[in-house]
Amino acid sequence: GAGVSQTPSNKVTEKGKYVELRCDPISGHTALYWYRQSLGQGPEFLIYFQGTGAADDSGLPNDRFFAVRPEGSVSTLKIQRTERGDSAVYLCASSLVGQGVRTDTQYFGPGTRLTVL
Amino acid sequence: DQQVKQNSPSLSVQEGRISILNCDYTNSMFDYFLWYKKYPAEGPTFLISISSIKDKNEDGRFTVFLNKSAKHLSLHIVPSQPGDSAVYFCAASFYNQGGKLIFGQGTELSVKP
Repeated sequence: GAGVSQTPSNKVTEKGKYVELRCDPISGHTALYWYRQSLGQGPEFLIYFQGTGAADDSGLPNDRFFAVRPEGSVSTLKIQRTERGDSAVYLCASSLVGQGVRTDTQYFGPGTRLTVL
Repeated sequence: DQQVKQNSPSLSVQEGRISILNCDYTNSMFDYFLWYKKYPAEGPTFLISISSIKDKNEDGRFTVFLNKSAKHLSLHIVPSQPGDSAVYFCAASFYNQGGKLIFGQGTELSVKP
C-alpha cells in the first residue's frame, strides 16, 4: 500500500514569505507527527495529532509555526514570515493508533526540504 | 540540551563483520527506545525497539542491548552487509508523552565489500 507522502519534495522561498507543507498519512492512521531535521542532526519533534486535534504542540519553536489536520487525515504545516534558520527537512510520520502505545510504529515520509534564501 | 546522544558521527566496517552503534541518554524517565535507519532522500524506517524492562531484544541480524544503569544502548548488526550502509538514529520516548520521539544525531554506517 501507499506510504506517507509529502509535498512538495523541495521548496525554496525568500525570507519573510509564507509556506505550506503538506503531509498525506497512511490511510487509516489516526496519529500524525511532524518533525524537523537540520543538517547533521536527528529529527526534532514539532507537533503530534491524535485524529483532528493537536495532542502535543510543545515542539513548535514559536508562533510563526502552525499545523492543522481538519479531517483527521491530511495535515498542513504552515510557516509564516520564514527565516533563514527555518531551512531544514520537514518530516511527517503517521502511526495506526498513537496514544502512546509503545508498539505503534511511526512510518515516515521522505520529507520536504525547505530552503529559505 | 541533547537528551539522546550518538557520539560517533560515522563508522566504517568490513562486510561480514559486526557493526556496533552506540547511544547514550540522560533522562531516566525514558522507558522505550528505538533504532531507525535512514537512506538518502528517504524518511527514517523503523528497525528495532526495546522496552526499559528488558535488556536485550533480537530480530534477525539486529540486536539491541540496553544498560539502564549506564543509560546506554547499542545496536549490533551481525553479519554486516553493504546494504546496511545508511544513517542510524536512536530514539527514546516517555510514558504518557504520546508517541513523541526524541532522536540522537545519527551515526553514518559504511559497510565495505
